[in-house]
Amino acid sequence: AQSVAQPEDQVNVAEGNPLTVKCTYSVSGNPYLFWYVQYPNRGLQFLLKYITGDNLVKGSYGFEAEFNKSQTSFHLKKPSALVSDSALYFCAVKEWGSASKIIFGSGTRLSIRP
Amino acid sequence: NAGVTQTPKFQVLKTGQSMTLQCAQDMNHNSMYWYRQDPGMGLRLIYYSASEGTTDKGEVPNGYNVSRLNKREFSLRLESAAPSQTSVYFCASSEAGGRTSTDTQYFGPGTRLTVL
Repeated sequence: AQSVAQPEDQVNVAEGNPLTVKCTYSVSGNPYLFWYVQYPNRGLQFLLKYITGDNLVKGSYGFEAEFNKSQTSFHLKKPSALVSDSALYFCAVKEWGSASKIIFGSGTRLSIRP
Repeated sequence: NAGVTQTPKFQVLKTGQSMTLQCAQDMNHNSMYWYRQDPGMGLRLIYYSASEGTTDKGEVPNGYNVSRLNKREFSLRLESAAPSQTSVYFCASSEAGGRTSTDTQYFGPGTRLTVL
């Protein structure tokens, strides 16, 4: 069975500082990994995904994520946070070749203070 | 392109009432999904439709039914609403949803449902 965990309910960062939102996953085979962002009263928006290849994936709005197979992690990062990055972030995983659907984590609320 | 649209945006029901949530996409996607979002639980898949004419249960299908009316539309019906179904419901679509699919899902704005 596949699963995904976001160990932090909330992350607080000062504007201009680097940010990291953590995600770990569990699948039997090869994972597909995703990050989505949700702004208040909106649906989820795709940020980036890892399928194969380079472990560092670049996405929208200056975000990037690093795939680490040995640690089964896919942490979301940004070098310099903006107040407008404040939102709810979801990590998701899908096992390649599995009939099961994508599984979402419980979400991490990112708060950037001016 | 409107993307994925959902109606209504808000709804209040009494226990036992029925209603249908509507979803449509204009991206010519094959696969469509219904999720519910509850605090601290992320998104949970209720039902999905891999292609027109097919539907399958997700993680939490009890109390719901779906209809893939055509390629564009995928509706979710609550036959007898219960307070436990109070949630925010999201519809999503993707180009394909097969075993090796890496397709991005595109989400609608959501329907906030309260069951009293």
